[in-house]
Amino acid sequence: EAQVTQNPRYLITVTGKKLTVTCSQNMNHEYMSWYRQDPGLGLRQIYYSMNVEVTDKGDVPEGYKVSRKEKRNFPLILESPSPNQTSLYFCASSLTVGGANVLTFGAGSRLTVL
Amino acid sequence: AQSVTQLDSQVPVFEEAPVELRCNYSSSVSVYLFWYVQYPNQGLQLLLKYLSGSTLVESINGFEAEFNKSQTSFHLRKPSVHISDTAEYFCAVQENRDDKIIFGKGTRLHILP
Repeated sequence: EAQVTQNPRYLITVTGKKLTVTCSQNMNHEYMSWYRQDPGLGLRQIYYSMNVEVTDKGDVPEGYKVSRKEKRNFPLILESPSPNQTSLYFCASSLTVGGANVLTFGAGSRLTVL
Repeated sequence: AQSVTQLDSQVPVFEEAPVELRCNYSSSVSVYLFWYVQYPNQGLQLLLKYLSGSTLVESINGFEAEFNKSQTSFHLRKPSVHISDTAEYFCAVQENRDDKIIFGKGTRLHILP
């Protein structure tokens, strides 16, 4: 089944404890992206990647890192999490259709930072 | 710079009544337009998209959206809603010269029995 898989789905952590949220897709998509969803703010892009070893900042990159060493994986790294990073995170990958990026989303990772 | 405005954060509607969820965007170039749906406790899924051609696009579950270039709108409509349509709906736009996709803040559709 074509899908984007995120882990963990739920995580409670404490301020300053490094964590990684993994994202993997099995569709051979070149484009991958991370979003955070907060009430009243919709989805905001954190980082995106056009291909292996190519990453770029989205609208809210502060406090996050990403890497794209392989086409299928795009982990999101919080080096020193803070409470304002408590959020619902979505990874997505994209098939390009006539120039348009049609996104497939993971199920989400709910992160709480105490 | 492009932006997307969903004018209503919540829309209550009775079951079997029609509904319209509004979406306006701003861009100086040609765009691709999308509606995504997020059912409770799930990720987003593509509902429908406008890339080119006919300005009226339809989904498999009865929703439709019309691209109006002069009004820079892409409103989502359904003639008769069902309780299973309860979800949050996101409008998104991508300029055709860019890979960046901008999402609106979402509209939560509440179906009343």
